[in-house]
Amino acid sequence: SQQGEEDPQALSIQEGENATMNCSYKTSINNLQWYRQNSGRGLVHLILIRSNEREKHSGRLRVTLDTSKKSSSLLITASRAADTASYFCATSIGANSKLTFGKGITLSVRP
Amino acid sequence: GAGVSQSPSNKVTEKGKDVELRCDPISGHTALYWYRQSLGQGLEFLIYFQGNSAPDKSGLPSDRFSAERTGGSVSTLTIQRTQQEDSAVYLCASSFGGREQFFGPGTRLTVL
Repeated sequence: SQQGEEDPQALSIQEGENATMNCSYKTSINNLQWYRQNSGRGLVHLILIRSNEREKHSGRLRVTLDTSKKSSSLLITASRAADTASYFCATSIGANSKLTFGKGITLSVRP
Repeated sequence: GAGVSQSPSNKVTEKGKDVELRCDPISGHTALYWYRQSLGQGLEFLIYFQGNSAPDKSGLPSDRFSAERTGGSVSTLTIQRTQQEDSAVYLCASSFGGREQFFGPGTRLTVL
């Protein structure tokens, strides 16, 4: 079963707007990671937030984590057409740190 | 190379044949993971190697799937007697110390 569930499933915005993507999960985690995927191939790691952290920033990315609600959000500010991709949240549980992925969000940024 | 590499990038095979997929992790990364991505199932964990420890095979879908990691570096995922439902993109990732995982470009397997 899916540990992470992203919301919405698809998002279409205008270049320059902010994009907010949400992820919910079911069990306690070590950390939560966001990945981007272009053209159904390799995943690019965006950001990792640990279970004892509440917010992290990386460039135009802002990630929050609410362990009481078992949810995370990814905010991309000032979006660009190049941000068009699928975005996945993945949770790391247990000693082996294997990742459990959500189904992904398709983001389209219109130029 | 600087990143995780996988070969071949594409593999087309006939049902019933065996296939081998290769992964070269980032040098120095002690952990290696295999995942599978298919339309119906999304991204699924398959197997995990950490140093010289016994691998975690809990994600392998059947006994037709096996993997090994030689010398703590290169890994091979083998699928025996391939079935059409094995068609997917097989992704390898490596990491160090339980940190972020870096993924290779994947191998797209098509079973006819």
